Amino acid sequence: QVQLQQWGAGLLKPSETLSLTCVVYGASFSGYYWSWIRQPPGKGLEWIGEINHSGATNYNPSLKSRVTISVDTSKNQFSLKLSSVTAADTAVYYCANSRGYDRIGSYWRYSFDYWGQGTLVTVSS
Amino acid sequence: QSALTQPASVSGSPGQSITISCTGTSRDVGNYNYVSWYQQHPGKAPKLLIYEVTNRPSGVSNRFSGSKSGNTASLTISGLQAEDEADYYCSSFTTNWVFGAGTKLTVL
Repeated sequence: QVQLQQWGAGLLKPSETLSLTCVVYGASFSGYYWSWIRQPPGKGLEWIGEINHSGATNYNPSLKSRVTISVDTSKNQFSLKLSSVTAADTAVYYCANSRGYDRIGSYWRYSFDYWGQGTLVTVSS
Repeated sequence: QSALTQPASVSGSPGQSITISCTGTSRDVGNYNYVSWYQQHPGKAPKLLIYEVTNRPSGVSNRFSGSKSGNTASLTISGLQAEDEADYYCSSFTTNWVFGAGTKLTVL
C-alpha cells in the first residue's frame, strides 16, 4: 500500500519561503516521478513541478523562478521550496507521484496515482 | 501550455449517464494519450479515475470510462449515484503537466 505523508509550515508572511516535505511509504522510490500540486481555496488544481530519484526536475514555467524541488532518496522524501510568497500562493499543497514505471507492461505510466493528505498554507501579514 | 477546457458544471439524475469533456489542442490532448481524470470530494485529495485516456486503475468502478476524439477527451459516468457528486479534473502531459479548471457534478 503506497502512502504519502506530508508536512510543513502552514502560516507564512509575504516574502517568506514556503517549505514542505513529503515522505513515501510502500513504493520503490526510483520507480516514480514525484510532484507537488496546489489548489487555491475554491479553485482548481495547479501543477508546480516534479522530480525523479536522480534529482532531475521539471517545473511549471509560471512558477519556475521561485520553485526548488529536491529529493532525499535515503529517506524516501522529496521537498518543495517556494520563495517570495504572496497571498496568491495561499493554497492547499499536495504531494503526489506523477509518473510510475509499470513493470508488467515495461513502460512509464503518466498519471497521479497516489496523493498526500494536503497541507493548507496561508500567506498573510 | 494552456489549461484544458472543461464545462464548469454538469448534472444528472440517479441512474442516468453523464459525460464531461476536456478540450485541449493538437499539441497536447490531440497528440498524446497522457490524459487522466480525477475525482475530488470536498476537503479530500483527488483520486485517480482514468489514466492514459481509457484505462481504469484497479479498484475504480467500471461505471467510469474514458475516451478521446481529436483534441477532446471525455469522461463518462454511467448509472449515476449520489456519491458521484464531486469535482472532476482532467490532466494532460506533454513536456509539462496541465489540469483542466474542473467540472462540478451535481446529482439531482
